[in-house]
Amino acid sequence: AQSVAQPEDQVNVAEGNPLTVKCTYSVSGNPYLFWYVQYPNRGLQFLLKYITGDNLVKGSYGFEAEFNKSQTSFHLKKPSALVSDSALYFCAVRDGNSGAGSYQLTFGKGTKLSVIP
Amino acid sequence: DTGVSQNPRHKITKRGQNVTFRCDPISEHNRLYWYRQTLGQGPEFLTYFQNEAQLEKSRLLSDRFSAERPKGSFSTLEIQRTEQGDSAMYLCASSEQTSGRNNEQFFGPGTRLTVL
Repeated sequence: AQSVAQPEDQVNVAEGNPLTVKCTYSVSGNPYLFWYVQYPNRGLQFLLKYITGDNLVKGSYGFEAEFNKSQTSFHLKKPSALVSDSALYFCAVRDGNSGAGSYQLTFGKGTKLSVIP
Repeated sequence: DTGVSQNPRHKITKRGQNVTFRCDPISEHNRLYWYRQTLGQGPEFLTYFQNEAQLEKSRLLSDRFSAERPKGSFSTLEIQRTEQGDSAMYLCASSEQTSGRNNEQFFGPGTRLTVL
């Protein structure tokens, strides 16, 4: 079974400060990791993914995430937060080694990011 | 085509009624997924299609739920004899087919179901 934990329900950060949204995962095979953002009354928008290679991946809107295999983490980061970054952020995992060919994503509960002007 | 579309966006029904939702994926995507999202939770996987074949079904997909993708393009999700516990946002996603499973899924805006 695969799972994702987002330990913080809410993160508050001042505009211009760096932000981090935490994510840890559990999967039996190689992890494929994703971050999505959800704005009110809108669907999930893809931000970035880690499949293999460089542990630091860059994505949309200036976001990046660092894959740490030993800590089974995939934290989302941004050097300078904008008020418009305020939204709900979801981390998701898929088992890349699943012999059954499972394509389902398992999501965390989400972290609400509030950027304060 | 600018993305995944879902209809209707909102549906209010009475307990015991049947409802059907439609999803139109991005045109060149042949993989299609259904998820359910309740308040305060992340999306939960329901089912997955590759072209017209339904290849995966979650245990969450009870026998009151049925999904189809008859021509490998749009998909429908039907819930029979709705219950109040079915109230949720139903999300559809699509992705390209490659040899791996590393492609991101693109989500539609969702259909919000309220069962009274």
